[in-house]
Amino acid sequence: ELKVEQNPLFLSMQEGKNYTIYCNYSTTSDRLYWYRQDPGKSLESLFVLLSNGAVKQEGRLMASLDTKARLSTLHITAAVHDLSATYFCAVGLGGGSNYKLTFGKGTLLTVNP
Amino acid sequence: DSGVTQTPKHLITATGQRVTLRCSPRSGDLSVYWYQQSLDQGLQFLIQYYNGEERAKGNILERFSAQQFPDLHSELNLSSLELGDSALYFCASSASSGGAADTQYFGPGTRLTVL
Repeated sequence: ELKVEQNPLFLSMQEGKNYTIYCNYSTTSDRLYWYRQDPGKSLESLFVLLSNGAVKQEGRLMASLDTKARLSTLHITAAVHDLSATYFCAVGLGGGSNYKLTFGKGTLLTVNP
Repeated sequence: DSGVTQTPKHLITATGQRVTLRCSPRSGDLSVYWYQQSLDQGLQFLIQYYNGEERAKGNILERFSAQQFPDLHSELNLSSLELGDSALYFCASSASSGGAADTQYFGPGTRLTVL
């Protein structure tokens, strides 16, 4: 069974600081997704990572994937209040009727002024 | 605004009942995905349809079913409802058949409460 663990689950940080959210998964996979969810809102797709060493950046967020370590990271640079949200990673496996997409529990990020 | 619409926004019903949730994808998108988000289970992928055909199946219960119509809107049918089915149900759409790199756009969700 594919397990996805995110840590930390709660992260309170000051504006201007850097931090990293970790996403570990238990089984070899060919796709890793990051999503953002604002309080009371829907999900927003942030990144999809498909290969070992893949790195994607959008603004102050950078995601990377190490398939050998079964680890993805979401790095936040010089955090601002607008980044406060819950961030989910999800790992995909298989296809068709055997497709599995397993989400982590999410990291609630609060950026304080 | 993602361009994906879902109705209704809220739904309150009783155990044992059946409900239908509706999703209209972004204009031109061929794939629709359904997700469930609850406090107990977290986020779960339920099912994907592409151009009217079931494409991928996740953790969807046998009491639940979905379909995608010729105009590409989709419906998720939940029957014999239990208290544990109370959750937010999101749909998402994407342009193509849902290849790994396909970006999904999420609707605002339907909050289902089963009493």
